Amino acid sequence: SQTIHQWPATLVQPVGSPLSLECTVEGTSNPNLYWYRQAAGRGLQLLFYSVGIGQISSEVPQNLSASRPQDRQFILSSKKLLLSDSGFYLCASPTGRAPGELFFGEGSRLTVL
Amino acid sequence: KQEVTQIPAALSVPEGENLVLNCSFTDSAIYNLQWFRQDPGKGLTSLLLIQSSQREQTSGRLNASLDKSSGRSTLYIAASQPGDSATYLCAVPYNAGNMLTFGGGTRLMVKP
Repeated sequence: SQTIHQWPATLVQPVGSPLSLECTVEGTSNPNLYWYRQAAGRGLQLLFYSVGIGQISSEVPQNLSASRPQDRQFILSSKKLLLSDSGFYLCASPTGRAPGELFFGEGSRLTVL
Repeated sequence: KQEVTQIPAALSVPEGENLVLNCSFTDSAIYNLQWFRQDPGKGLTSLLLIQSSQREQTSGRLNASLDKSSGRSTLYIAASQPGDSATYLCAVPYNAGNMLTFGGGTRLMVKP
């Protein structure tokens, strides 16, 4: 069955520190992966998507970057965190059952102080 | 640009009530519409997906309807239970791929 592992689950970081959130997917043949952010009072927003190793597309300009070093691994990074980077980060993968049907990981909650 | 709106933003009902959550979208050229459930601090769980050719989908006490022409979907929850308390999100793909535009969600609380 399809699984998505995200870690760390919770992270508290000072402003200006680096960030690395990891997502690992199992049980799917669809290569597409997505990073969404859920910020307080703002709903879910697509940040990045990847259709394969080394292929990253950004949906919104921001302080974050993403990388796809392996087929099943999707990483979200920042060199210097901002207060506005706080939020709940969700990794997603298509279920393969229907267009647009996504399976989500349990998320990583980032608080920047 | 597709915009998705959910009303109400929050809802509190006594246990046992039937309730309706609303979702509206601005661009009716959608492939499908999904309803998700999100428990506090957790990821999203897919509840129902309605294809653009369908008018409704049912799963247990949940029934989702879709009216593309009016840009609306509703999620009907029958005989609500405290365990239904969560945030409910609707989402539509905004291109031929898998990228979703989400509504802001409806936070539901079912009181015992």
